[in-house]
Amino acid sequence: GEDVEQSLFLSVREGDSSVINCTYTDSSSTYLYWYKQEPGAGLQLLTYIFSNMDMKQDQRLTVLLNKKDKHLSLRIADTQTGDSAIYFCAESESGYSTLTFGKGTMLLVSP
Amino acid sequence: GAGVSQSPSNKVTEKGKDVELRCDPISGHTALYWYRQSLGQGLEFLIYFQGNSAPDKSGLPSDRFSAERTGGSVSTLTIQRTQQEDSAVYLCASSLSSTGFLYEQYFGPGTRLTVT
Repeated sequence: GEDVEQSLFLSVREGDSSVINCTYTDSSSTYLYWYKQEPGAGLQLLTYIFSNMDMKQDQRLTVLLNKKDKHLSLRIADTQTGDSAIYFCAESESGYSTLTFGKGTMLLVSP
Repeated sequence: GAGVSQSPSNKVTEKGKDVELRCDPISGHTALYWYRQSLGQGLEFLIYFQGNSAPDKSGLPSDRFSAERTGGSVSTLTIQRTQQEDSAVYLCASSLSSTGFLYEQYFGPGTRLTVT
């Protein structure tokens, strides 16, 4: 079955770059997503990438996709304390189908 | 409304009782999803409604779980004879729908269910 794996915890200092990694197993994954969940809040879509892309950049966020290795990463430049949250990697086969999520990576940014 | 709303925000119930969780999607969104977020399990898909089509129930963990969507809008997730392992945050999401393109799923804040 489909599986999405990510590391559970990452700690960085304010101003550093953060890199959160994710691997997935489903070859038919067409869309790959990064969601952010702040304490007590719902999930918020940060960015997504199509499987035919290698990289997508959006302000401080850079998403890298290695389709051969089924590896996805999210890089946050100049990490701020407000970036502290749980980050979920997810995949879907189409743009409107259900999402398969990883267990989430808790990012802790210290001043 | 401004976003997806869910009620109640917190629910504590005794083992064996039935509970109903409500989701109000964003107006005009035809697709509605229920997910469950358990400690150590991450987010798992439960059920998906798309317009008037039969729902995709493939993620429901047991026949104690059911969901309805009335009038293509509000949805209710019902858990019968609750068990302690049902304790989790239940998240609802909605999106526009189409074919061949990405429509973002907007998530509600969730209902935290605790079964004692």
